[in-house]
Order: sequence, then C-alpha cells, then structure tokens
Amino acid sequence: QKEVEQNSGPLSVPEGAIASLNCTYSDRGSQSFFWYRQYSGKSPELIMSIYSNGDKEDGRFTAQLNKASQYVSLLIRDSQPSDSATYLCADSGGSNYKLTFGKGTLLTVNP
Amino acid sequence: DAGVIQSPRHEVTEMGQEVTLRCKPISGHNSLFWYRQTMMRGLELLIYFNNNVPIDDSGMPEDRFSAKMPNASFSTLKIQPSEPRDSAVYFCASSLQGIGEKLFFGSGTQLSVL
Repeated sequence: QKEVEQNSGPLSVPEGAIASLNCTYSDRGSQSFFWYRQYSGKSPELIMSIYSNGDKEDGRFTAQLNKASQYVSLLIRDSQPSDSATYLCADSGGSNYKLTFGKGTLLTVNP
Repeated sequence: DAGVIQSPRHEVTEMGQEVTLRCKPISGHNSLFWYRQTMMRGLELLIYFNNNVPIDDSGMPEDRFSAKMPNASFSTLKIQPSEPRDSAVYFCASSLQGIGEKLFFGSGTQLSVL
C-alpha cells in the first residue's frame, strides 16, 4: 500500500516568517512529486512539481526532494495571511496518471 | 476557458436513492479523473479516463459506483443505491495528458446521503 504521510497540523506561523511543510512517501519507485494548495471549501490547485533531487524555486516557494530519505518539503518564504490553506503532498509512484495524496497540512499565517 | 465544470455543487439525498454527478472537462484535455475527498481518507482517485476510455477503475469502491465518458466533453459518476458512507466531496479533474501536465480540478460536488 503506497502511502504519503504529512503532519496534519495545524502549523501556525507569523506573517513574514518561513513556513516549512514536510512529507514522506513509501514508494521508492516514485519519480514525480507535487504540492497542491487547497483553500477551505475550494478545490486543490497545483503550486509546485519536483522530479529531481535538490531544490526547485518558484517565487516565494521552494520545493525540496531527497529520494534517498524519501521526503519532500515545501518552504514558503515571507508567509502571507493569503497563504493560509491546506497543503497536499502527492507522488506519482512511477505512474503517469495515478497520484497518491497525503491528507494535507493545515497552515495558518497570523497577521 | 471556464475550467472544469461540475454539477451539482451540492447534493442532499436519502439513502437508497440514485445520485448522478456531472463533469465537463477543459476543452482539449484528453485525461479525466474522478476523485473523492473525505476527512478520514483524504483525496482518493476513483477512476481515470484517457481519450474517453476508462483506464483504471481500481479506486471505485464497489459495484454501486459507475462512471461513463460518452464523449470528450462530458463524464458522469453514478452511485446507485447511495449510502451514508458515500457522503464526501467528489472532484472531477482534467489534464492534457495524464499527470505529466498540470491537473485542473473542478469546484467539486458536496454529497450528503442521509
């Protein structure tokens, strides 16, 4: 059974701080990893994808992948109240269509 | 583009009734996914269509669930008969090709079975 584990939170950070979200996965064959943001009552929205070990930066967001340790993280710099949402980690498990999602981490950014 | 369109947004029904959820994917997308989201189990893939053909329905919980995609612009997910444990948010998503391209989710259908 492929699993993606996330701390459910809530993770609370002050405005302007760095928020660090973590995710571990069980399938060593996984090649592609994704971070989705889901606002309360809304649908998931892709914010980052990462395929290679190391860091990938996009604006205030940095995704980090360590395949040897089987973890993926998402850093949000200069956190804003508008970043308050649930962040879902997902991995493809080597599939080109099937994503396994974690249950998400609730992030709250306090003004 | 209007994005992925789902209907209805909310559905309240009684146990034993038939429920039909509808989805219109983004034009030009050839991959369509039905997901279910609950607090207990998170977001789970129910079924995946590629070019209107069901490729993987291993996530469909049981025979009470069925899905169709009669053409590239329309898909349905049917539950018959419905049970209280089917209560969840059901999302439809589409992409240009599998997950290599970005998945676009619809707004979801909040289903409550009483």
